[in-house]
Amino acid sequence: NAGVTQTPKFQVLKTGQSMTLQCAQDMNHEYMSWYRQDPGMGLRLIHYSVGAGITDQGEVPNGYNVSRSTTEDFPLRLLSAAPSQTSVYFCASSPTYNNEQYFGPGTRLTVT
Amino acid sequence: AQKITQTQPGMFVQEKEAVTLDCTYDTSDQSYGLFWYKQPSSGEMIFLIYQGSYDEQNATEGRYSLNFQKARKSANLVISASQLGDSAMYFCAMREGSGGSNYKLTFGKGTLLTVNP
Repeated sequence: NAGVTQTPKFQVLKTGQSMTLQCAQDMNHEYMSWYRQDPGMGLRLIHYSVGAGITDQGEVPNGYNVSRSTTEDFPLRLLSAAPSQTSVYFCASSPTYNNEQYFGPGTRLTVT
Repeated sequence: AQKITQTQPGMFVQEKEAVTLDCTYDTSDQSYGLFWYKQPSSGEMIFLIYQGSYDEQNATEGRYSLNFQKARKSANLVISASQLGDSAMYFCAMREGSGGSNYKLTFGKGTLLTVNP
């Protein structure tokens, strides 16, 4: 199993550009989530999904969209990138709501 | 108010000694879960240990144990016999409530542990 994969590993965007961060898992996990990690802030939840077709907002959802058309994939879309979205983004999945979350390797995004 | 508080931004420990990383939490739910994750300098998030609010015994996983004091709302991580490879950032996290709609983890800001030889 590849586990949770994220692409790209690094990305530089200009302010106003849009892009999609990809996340996929091959463990047939129902639950998936996106976090951002900023220095001194820990990880903060952006969006999460409890199954295909079901998504909900986390703590910091503004400026991001998600969809979950399949169990495997959970892409995160930045609609119009802003410097405040410079961060490291982690995708995670788990088989139930109460299990530990398995994290992807992260995407380091810089918005100039 | 912060839901997860880690009061130690940085900790130092000598190799082979034990170290305790503090975590206090704030919730009014009866059902919740507490997690500890390790993040080495390479950046990946590694799950260490889990404690459920109804678990009567403290969780243990190898050299990791969780000192769970429910009345004090604390869930401290104890690492025994520290190794150089334990040098990393450690995060405490909490899931509140039960059921799928409560699939949300709140993280603390982390403690940077340095193990000295």
